Amino acid sequence: KAGVTQTPRYLIKTRGQQVTLSCSPISGHRSVSWYQQTPGQGLQFLFEYFSETQRNKGNFPGRFSGRQFSNSRSEMNVSTLELGDSALYLCASSLTGTKSYNEQFFGPGTRLTVL
Amino acid sequence: KNEVEQSPQNLTAQEGEFITINCSYSVGISALHWLQQHPGGGIVSLFMLSSGKKKHGRLIATINIQEKHSSLHITASHPRDSAVYICAVAGGNTDKLIFGTGTRLQVFP
Repeated sequence: KAGVTQTPRYLIKTRGQQVTLSCSPISGHRSVSWYQQTPGQGLQFLFEYFSETQRNKGNFPGRFSGRQFSNSRSEMNVSTLELGDSALYLCASSLTGTKSYNEQFFGPGTRLTVL
Repeated sequence: KNEVEQSPQNLTAQEGEFITINCSYSVGISALHWLQQHPGGGIVSLFMLSSGKKKHGRLIATINIQEKHSSLHITASHPRDSAVYICAVAGGNTDKLIFGTGTRLQVFP
């Protein structure tokens, strides 16, 4: 089975721009979660989607949004980028999400740099 | 106080040593995850536990639900075990994953 894929792997943007990141889960997995990792804050949960519905949301401003498509692929969008949004953005897929006894499979991440 | 605390933050070891990394949490959980992150960022899920003990090769993870504590043990450590090990819990009121700050392990030959 192919693993979780994320595109693009690297991205450089300037303040004020917006960005869309993509995540393709493992075939058959219906849950996709997004995480932000920074040196200062570590790993933080952004949101989780299951069957096209946002099931959980972390403590991030409304500039961070996401969606999931019927094929379980997910996108996250960050609008009006700030310098502090520079981070590694990771997505993870699982069969039914963190609530049940299912392992999370992580993608390689998208490293976003905001200049 | 963080909801998930890991210790130690940094750990160095000689090849062959037995290693223990600890994780304490303060929320009710449905599961606890141990993750491994190598330089470059890729994260691999090592274990998911809700009770007892799991073993995979040289890795052993235990959890004590009553004491809200988990340990990750590495037997016969090897330089390729050098990585950041992250504890994460799923549960609390919202069931989101909450992460510890990680333990950076370096194993020298």
